[in-house]
Amino acid sequence: AQKVTQAQTEISVVEKEDVTLDCVYETRDTTYYLFWYKQPPSGELVFLIRRNSFDEQNEISGRYSWNFQKSTSSFNFTITASQVVDSAVYFCALSEGDRTDSWGKLQFGAGTQVVVTP
Amino acid sequence: KAGVTQTPRYLIKTRGQQVTLSCSPISGHRSVSWYQQTPGQGLQFLFEYFSETQRNKGNFPGRFSGRQFSNSRSEMNVSTLELGDSALYLCASSLGWGAQETQYFGPGTRLLVL
Repeated sequence: AQKVTQAQTEISVVEKEDVTLDCVYETRDTTYYLFWYKQPPSGELVFLIRRNSFDEQNEISGRYSWNFQKSTSSFNFTITASQVVDSAVYFCALSEGDRTDSWGKLQFGAGTQVVVTP
Repeated sequence: KAGVTQTPRYLIKTRGQQVTLSCSPISGHRSVSWYQQTPGQGLQFLFEYFSETQRNKGNFPGRFSGRQFSNSRSEMNVSTLELGDSALYLCASSLGWGAQETQYFGPGTRLLVL
């Protein structure tokens, strides 16, 4: 069963618009970690952020911000004032921590393609 | 610090052949994970190695295998290649072994099976 759902396949915006990427996860573990990665056309996954299940504080890093809500099992990502360089596929991933047989395994969503046009 | 490196970057093989992909982790990282990325199945976990031992394995057939060396470098091998093995194979390294570890990815090896 898919544990990470990214319902938006593709989002197209014009430069300077804000864009929000949705991520819904499913787990029974008490301890877990959520990640966001960016994959530009070159193919390499670039790490953006990690949150643990015990810290629901929202986070802001430059034009990027993340909203983690355990009540709705969501970990959404917003790019403010988008730029052409933000065009990429963005992946949300879950790492479950209650059992060692889950360690080291990232479970990815299907990804959301963001297209920013000038 | 140099990032994760993977060789080769591109490979073309024919059905039935075998292939070995190599991954060098970030200096000081002791854990290496492998993922397969295809348009149909997305990113799927293959296996993870820490201290030369496979710690976890994904749902892939036995044709997919790997190993890790004492310097933390890792290789994965796919035997008896099938057309469906065409994919981007990504390697990731992390400092240690645990759910909290951030995995840093390499550029990938793009494998085409004809």
